[in-house]
Amino acid sequence: AAGVIQSPRHLIKEKRETATLKCYPIPRHDTVYWYQQGPGQDPQFLISFYEKMQSDKGSIPDRFSAQQFSDYHSELNMSSLELGDSALYFCASSLGASASQETQYFGPGTRLLVL
Amino acid sequence: AQSVAQPEDQVNVAEGNPLTVKCTYSVSGNPYLFWYVQYPNRGLQFLLKYITGDNLVKGSYGFEAEFNKSQTSFHLKKPSALVSDSALYFCAVRDRPPMDTGRRALTFGSGTRLQVQP
Repeated sequence: AAGVIQSPRHLIKEKRETATLKCYPIPRHDTVYWYQQGPGQDPQFLISFYEKMQSDKGSIPDRFSAQQFSDYHSELNMSSLELGDSALYFCASSLGASASQETQYFGPGTRLLVL
Repeated sequence: AQSVAQPEDQVNVAEGNPLTVKCTYSVSGNPYLFWYVQYPNRGLQFLLKYITGDNLVKGSYGFEAEFNKSQTSFHLKKPSALVSDSALYFCAVRDRPPMDTGRRALTFGSGTRLQVQP
């Protein structure tokens, strides 16, 4: 079965640079979520989109922005990168047909290292 | 606000023995509860969820979890552990408000590392 695809899988950036992470949800899934997992930590919710509109917002820094496109893929744009942004960034998707049916399925993650 | 506690950083069990990974939660209303497993350098894999109905939920790879509302717990269990079950396990929760339209973020616990010895 098709899974969530994330690219790139690994990314190395310098401080103050920008990065763009991409997420391709499971086909027919209409909702995308972004989470950040720091070293040895649990995943923290950043932001989510449903039908190209922001549906929920968590602890996303102002330096980050995201959007969902007409084909439902999503991009997380990160600017003025800091050392503390080094983490594993997960994308998850769900089919929000009803609240009781939704399950978030996660991609393999993008490991970002900021030097 | 919603929160999840996984009181054990690591659980060690011998292969073939039963395993339990503990999880307690706090939500303002009724909860949706989930268990995910993370293998090294891999994403989070969905194991099972509790939405409503039977308190005992069966999931993938022989895992099950029991929802206990009075104790606000959702412990993960397996009757007979395998070495291949060794991984990091996360419990997650989201609340279920009265006008729930879905698509809400999950709150994760800190994770429990399961080590199954041969």
